[in-house]
Amino acid sequence: AQSVAQPEDQVNVAEGNPLTVKCTYSVSGNPYLFWYVQYPNRGLQFLLKYITGDNLVKGSYGFEAEFNKSQTSFHLKKPSALVSDSALYFCAVIEGYQKVTFGTGTKLQVIP
Amino acid sequence: EAGVVQSPRYKIIEKKQPVAFWCNPISGHNTLYWYLQNLGQGPELLIRYENEEAVDDSQLPKDRFSAERLKGVDSTLKIQPAELGDSAVYLCASSLSTGGSYNEQFFGPGTRLTVL
Repeated sequence: AQSVAQPEDQVNVAEGNPLTVKCTYSVSGNPYLFWYVQYPNRGLQFLLKYITGDNLVKGSYGFEAEFNKSQTSFHLKKPSALVSDSALYFCAVIEGYQKVTFGTGTKLQVIP
Repeated sequence: EAGVVQSPRYKIIEKKQPVAFWCNPISGHNTLYWYLQNLGQGPELLIRYENEEAVDDSQLPKDRFSAERLKGVDSTLKIQPAELGDSAVYLCASSLSTGGSYNEQFFGPGTRLTVL
């Protein structure tokens, strides 16, 4: 069965510093990976996805993620964090046609 | 372009009462999802529709939950009777699925259900 793990419940980073939110996955076939962000009292918003091709994927709001097949990881990154990036981030994996599993989420706190 | 619309945004009911949630997906999106999200957790899929067909309802507690998407557009999720443990946020999402592509989902704001 497919699964996705976000090992950190919370990540704290100073404004202007680079940030990383970790995600690892387990699938039997080829993974299709997504990152979503959830701001307080709002629905989840799509950030980026990896389907195939270049291992470095660029997405919305300056975020990017690197697909690493050998480490089964898909970490979310941003070179310079903003206070407005503070939110809940979810990694998701799809295996089989549109059967999606979400991680438990990582709360990102950017400190001014 | 309007996003995914859900109503109501909040609902408080007593246990054993019925409750229904409504979702209108983005126009043209053929795939519709209902999720349950508990506090501090990721969304858990309840049911997925491709047009009007429920193609994945393996996680739907069918003894008390039901859903329909009669014309392949908007959808209703019902709980009858509600239990205390059903208190959660119910999310609706839609996507445009074509030829096996893995497209991103667009989520509504959710309905926060409180069962007393």
